Amino acid sequence: DIVMTQTPLSLSVTPGQPASISCKSSQSLLHSDGKTHLYWYLQKPGQSPHLLIYEVSKRFSGVPDRFSGSGSGTYFTLKVSRVEAEDVGVYYCMQSLQFPLTFGGGTKVEIK
Amino acid sequence: EVQLLESGGGLVQPGGSLRLSCAASGFTFRNSAMTWVRQTSGKGLEWVSRIGDNGDVIAYAEFAKGRFTISRDNSKNTLYLQMNSLTAEDTAIYYCGRAISRGVTAPDSWGQGTLVTVSS
Repeated sequence: DIVMTQTPLSLSVTPGQPASISCKSSQSLLHSDGKTHLYWYLQKPGQSPHLLIYEVSKRFSGVPDRFSGSGSGTYFTLKVSRVEAEDVGVYYCMQSLQFPLTFGGGTKVEIK
Repeated sequence: EVQLLESGGGLVQPGGSLRLSCAASGFTFRNSAMTWVRQTSGKGLEWVSRIGDNGDVIAYAEFAKGRFTISRDNSKNTLYLQMNSLTAEDTAIYYCGRAISRGVTAPDSWGQGTLVTVSS
């Protein structure tokens, strides 16, 4: 199985300041179709997860442009340019390259 | 608007069975692969199973193989997960999700989840 490792475990951010979360996979997530199957989800308190970023860097419909994803191969980053109060929750990376799909352990983001 | 509504969770004794359902609306269900993901307090998010748009390309997590069966009824816009031989380790919130595209299992939409508790 592909192991997904997220850092940090938690993050406390002042509103308006940037935040960055890292995700490392145990093997390359580049598929033969040329796509890299790395996804980012946010689970707000009391809600189900929702998709933020797909294929490393593509923002899903309705996701604010303060969210951005980058990376390649085995190392990926999610950045929030200016954190807002509504961004609190747990962020997860996930790989969909091969079965079983696997998730990172999550990064809890709170507001200072 | 994509809507996914899970049901069928509840309290079940170890060794028992449950059938989860996921009613879909707001999109063309028969054209979408679907997936189940669960969330436990101990292990976080765990992918469970996926099924292709016409019922093919089925895959299971190792822990689900031989105990869980995914299926769908495109005439009813409904996804199912039959779970047998349940143990305490299966206690979790179970979410259904619509795959982002054909051939890709990652969900772009999730339901609100249904809680399964396995306990005597």
